Amino acid sequence: GNSVTQMEGPVTLSEEAFLTINCTYTATGYPSLFWYVQYPGEGLQLLLKATKADDKGSNKGFEATYRKETTSFHLEKGSVQVSDSAVYFCALKGESGGFKTIFGAGTRLFVKA
Amino acid sequence: NAGVTQTPKFQVLKTGQSMTLQCAQDMNHEYMSWYRQDPGMGLRLIHYSVGAGITDQGEVPNGYNVSRSTTEDFPLRLLSAAPSQTSVYFCASSYSFTGNTEAFFGQGTRLTVV
Repeated sequence: GNSVTQMEGPVTLSEEAFLTINCTYTATGYPSLFWYVQYPGEGLQLLLKATKADDKGSNKGFEATYRKETTSFHLEKGSVQVSDSAVYFCALKGESGGFKTIFGAGTRLFVKA
Repeated sequence: NAGVTQTPKFQVLKTGQSMTLQCAQDMNHEYMSWYRQDPGMGLRLIHYSVGAGITDQGEVPNGYNVSRSTTEDFPLRLLSAAPSQTSVYFCASSYSFTGNTEAFFGQGTRLTVV
């Protein structure tokens, strides 16, 4: 069945450092891929998405590219801020999974001033 | 624009008690779902609904019931609470079940079963 694997956290960075959070997936066909962010005490909210191979999703300085050949959707940001401290979830949704959204385990990011 | 509203935000139950977690959305979304979030396990799907009157089981349905009598509401019932049901519960909705539409989440209900 469909699955999503994320790098384990926590990830601790200094402000203005470069961020990469790895995400790989298993699915047949062409699922849509998402990154969600969860700030402390809140629900998840969409950060960005990509719906077909080679698409790049971007928002708030974050970006991720849908790589069909490596089944990956890594999240990157060139310069993180303290306000980016949160838990980040990679997710997929596709026909092979009955269109149910499957989430990774989440990666907690701490950014120090 | 309220989005997805969950109540209560916090709840403590004794083992064996029952309760209902409420979820309402005002976006006329077709698809609604319930997840539980546990440390290191991400979000696991409990039940979902593709429209009023239609529900189905997700990955971890045991001990939970749902119904969808209206488009707006999708309550989750715990029949006889157990300590293993201590978790944070999230309700989510999407414009459609198929396709690439994203999920909108409520703020969550933190449930402790003692």
